[in-house]
Amino acid sequence: GQQLNQSPQSMFIQEGEDVSMNCTSSSIFNTWLWYKQEPGEGPVLLIALYKAGELTSNGRLTAQFGITRKDSFLNISASIPSDVGIYFCAGQVLYNNNDMRFGAGTRLTVKP
Amino acid sequence: NAGVTQTPKFQVLKTGQSMTLQCAQDMNHNSMYWYRQDPGMGLRLIYYSASEGTTDKGEVPNGYNVSRLNKREFSLRLESAAPSQTSVYFCASRRGGGSYEQYFGPGTRLTVT
Repeated sequence: GQQLNQSPQSMFIQEGEDVSMNCTSSSIFNTWLWYKQEPGEGPVLLIALYKAGELTSNGRLTAQFGITRKDSFLNISASIPSDVGIYFCAGQVLYNNNDMRFGAGTRLTVKP
Repeated sequence: NAGVTQTPKFQVLKTGQSMTLQCAQDMNHNSMYWYRQDPGMGLRLIYYSASEGTTDKGEVPNGYNVSRLNKREFSLRLESAAPSQTSVYFCASRRGGGSYEQYFGPGTRLTVT
């Protein structure tokens, strides 16, 4: 099945900087999810988006469901060292409740 | 409330050996999933169980079988392990209905030599 195109693959930033990453697909999704995964752990859900155009925040994290329903964005403001990890997007395929597609992840490194 | 638990956390098998990965959730979720995670790739669905008593193939089912033992438990079995099955395996669960949020366990790291 088609996976999502997630970019960038990796980011090296200074503490305090803002971060942006995105996911795109040729398919339409009815839900976008963003996860964070730390070494040796499972993905942890950060934000869920259910409507096209929706903008949702969770602390310093803000995510948006693209108007075309084919993309989503995640922004992290004022990064801190504990933001280090791999961030994954996931899109729920329209009309198939059990078909969730995942991006390959953005590996974030924050330098103090 | 432990969420999704998986056992074992690590496993090393020789080619041809069999084993079962266990998964349990205590959130009363209806749907459960098994994924594998390989370097540089997104999570890929192996099998899923939309509700108790049903199971279906995902994107990469070959070499695996599953059992939905009850609403809480969903196991993944490798009948004859192959090196290509070296991966990290994640179990996830979803409440169902209009909620698509999946919650993941900590993973099982499997090496097949």
